[in-house]
Amino acid sequence: KQEVTQIPAALSVPEGENLVLNCSFTDSAIYNLQWFRQDPGKGLTSLLLIQSSQREQTSGRLNASLDKSSGRSTLYIAASQPGDSATYLCAVETGANNLFFGTGTRLTVIP
Amino acid sequence: DAGVIQSPRHEVTEMGQEVTLRCKPISGHDYLFWYRQTMMRGLELLIYFNNNVPIDDSGMPEDRFSAKMPNASFSTLKIQPSEPRDSAVYFCASSLVASSYNEQFFGPGTRLTVL
Repeated sequence: KQEVTQIPAALSVPEGENLVLNCSFTDSAIYNLQWFRQDPGKGLTSLLLIQSSQREQTSGRLNASLDKSSGRSTLYIAASQPGDSATYLCAVETGANNLFFGTGTRLTVIP
Repeated sequence: DAGVIQSPRHEVTEMGQEVTLRCKPISGHDYLFWYRQTMMRGLELLIYFNNNVPIDDSGMPEDRFSAKMPNASFSTLKIQPSEPRDSAVYFCASSLVASSYNEQFFGPGTRLTVL
């Protein structure tokens, strides 16, 4: 069964810093990988989706990379802002619409 | 589009009672998913539908859980009888499959507390 791990579980950074969130998965036979943001008490918002044939996706200050062979993905956030504070989840799809989620990284950006 | 709509947003019930959670997917989406999120286990897929037909219910924890999708714009997740360990946030998501792109859009969730 696919296992998805996110490290660190929590991260605090001062405003303006660049940061990297890590995601690893055990089975490289994935369909795609998605990064989500979850605010406290709220649902999930999709940030970026990387298909298995791609190596990275960018949206604004966010850049996600995928190394399928090593089972790793990173989410890079440039010039962090207090509004970026949330829990970030990665999820891999192993085909058949089955998303396996990591346990998330709780990010706090300190003004 | 208003996005995926779930109701109720919060539900508090007593052990043994029947609980029904509702979901309206994004119009035109082919797939609908039910997830459960707990602190211990994170997010888990319970069941998903394609064109109103249940495709994979292997994540449904027990026979106490059942899900239906009577039409393309409505789905329910029912727990009968409910138990305290069912307390969790239940998310509904939908997606539109276009070639290999398969982004899932999530609803705000229903926070269920079983006393």
